[in-house]
Amino acid sequence: GQNIDQPTEMTATEGAIVQINCTYQTSGFNGLFWYQQHAGEAPTFLSYNVLDGLEEKGRFSSFLSRSKGYSYLLLKELQMKDSASYLCALKDSNYQLIWGAGTKLIIKP
Amino acid sequence: NAGVTQTPKFRILKIGQSMTLQCTQDMNHNYMYWYRQDPGMGLKLIYYSVGAGITDKGEVPNGYNVSRSTTEDFPLRLELAAPSQTSVYFCASSYYDTNYEQYFGPGTRLTVT
Repeated sequence: GQNIDQPTEMTATEGAIVQINCTYQTSGFNGLFWYQQHAGEAPTFLSYNVLDGLEEKGRFSSFLSRSKGYSYLLLKELQMKDSASYLCALKDSNYQLIWGAGTKLIIKP
Repeated sequence: NAGVTQTPKFRILKIGQSMTLQCTQDMNHNYMYWYRQDPGMGLKLIYYSVGAGITDKGEVPNGYNVSRSTTEDFPLRLELAAPSQTSVYFCASSYYDTNYEQYFGPGTRLTVT
């Protein structure tokens, strides 16, 4: 089967850097997504990793290590608007997405 | 482009009632999905469709039905509503398969009492 673990909640300060981890166990790996979800809103796409390494996109970067079953999302120069939940989603051997419960990120001034 | 639209935004149902959640996308996407999201839980796939006339079950299909008569529309039918179906329902679409990002509708918040 598949299992995805993310911290439930994290707190960071405006202007700082935060790393949100996602660990997974799966019998078949076909890619990993990160989505952002503001309270009461729909998820929106942030990044997609299928190969090992770091993908950088502005203030957001995502890292993947397939051998370790590990990914992280790195947010730099945090802004108040980054307060949201961050969802890790694994594409399994059936090519369906298995979603983590999400990490609620609280930004303090 | 409106993207993915869902109606209604909110609904309260009594146990045993039925309803249809509407979903429409105007991006000419082939793939469409229905998810439910419960508090503190990840999104769970209910049904998905790879194109008009083709639907398949996801992880939690019991109590739901779907149809896909056109590329644009993918309604979700709840028959005999139960309290366990209280949730937020999201419809999503993608151009092709899950290699591509999914675009989500704004969600329908359903309460069954």
